[in-house]
Amino acid sequence: EPEVTQTPSHQVTQMGQEVILRCVPISNHLYFYWYRQILGQKVEFLVSFYNNEISEKSEIFDDQFSVERPDGSNFTLKIRSTKLEDSAMYFCASSENRAPLPNEQFFGPGTRLTVL
Amino acid sequence: ILNVEQSPQSLHVQEGDSTNFTCSFPSSNFYALHWYRWETAKSPEALFVMTLNGDEKKKGRISATLNTKEGYSYLYIKGSQPEDSATYLCASHNAGNMLTFGGGTRLMVKP
Repeated sequence: EPEVTQTPSHQVTQMGQEVILRCVPISNHLYFYWYRQILGQKVEFLVSFYNNEISEKSEIFDDQFSVERPDGSNFTLKIRSTKLEDSAMYFCASSENRAPLPNEQFFGPGTRLTVL
Repeated sequence: ILNVEQSPQSLHVQEGDSTNFTCSFPSSNFYALHWYRWETAKSPEALFVMTLNGDEKKKGRISATLNTKEGYSYLYIKGSQPEDSATYLCASHNAGNMLTFGGGTRLMVKP
């Protein structure tokens, strides 16, 4: 069964460093998403991406974040200068459809980012 | 800001017990309600996507109902098994393409 994959599973970085989190969405999906979950809190939406551009973003997704689909398969989230509060589990998701159709989103296993 | 709430936060049941959890969500601009099952270190697994008021969906021993007018959904597990132990997440799709998640219900089934 097709699945979303993410690498690495765990990333440890120093405050101020740049990190790139990688995702391979399901191959025939067109809509891509990043979410994150800070320990003990709810899963939060960051950004959605379609046709090589951002279609929606939350208040969390400020100028230090960027997303890219550098080739036909990868979808990346870059954090330019990490802060302690960026420590979280980052989930990538993809879907075949978008609203108003029910957009069943398929999630990867997550990358746990620890900023020291 | 949309608020999706789940209760209870955690639940311990004995093997064989039936159980249910609640998800409440905003009913305005509603598109769909998603249920996911999430085991630690694995991907959240999609269980149901529900769109219509009165919808009932079933997958094996797990079923869900939806009331869009009052903004709630119930997830039921019949005859819980230890392998049902997981966190059950609901997420509301109200506008755009983003999902707004509840805090999850952590279910532990004791053999």
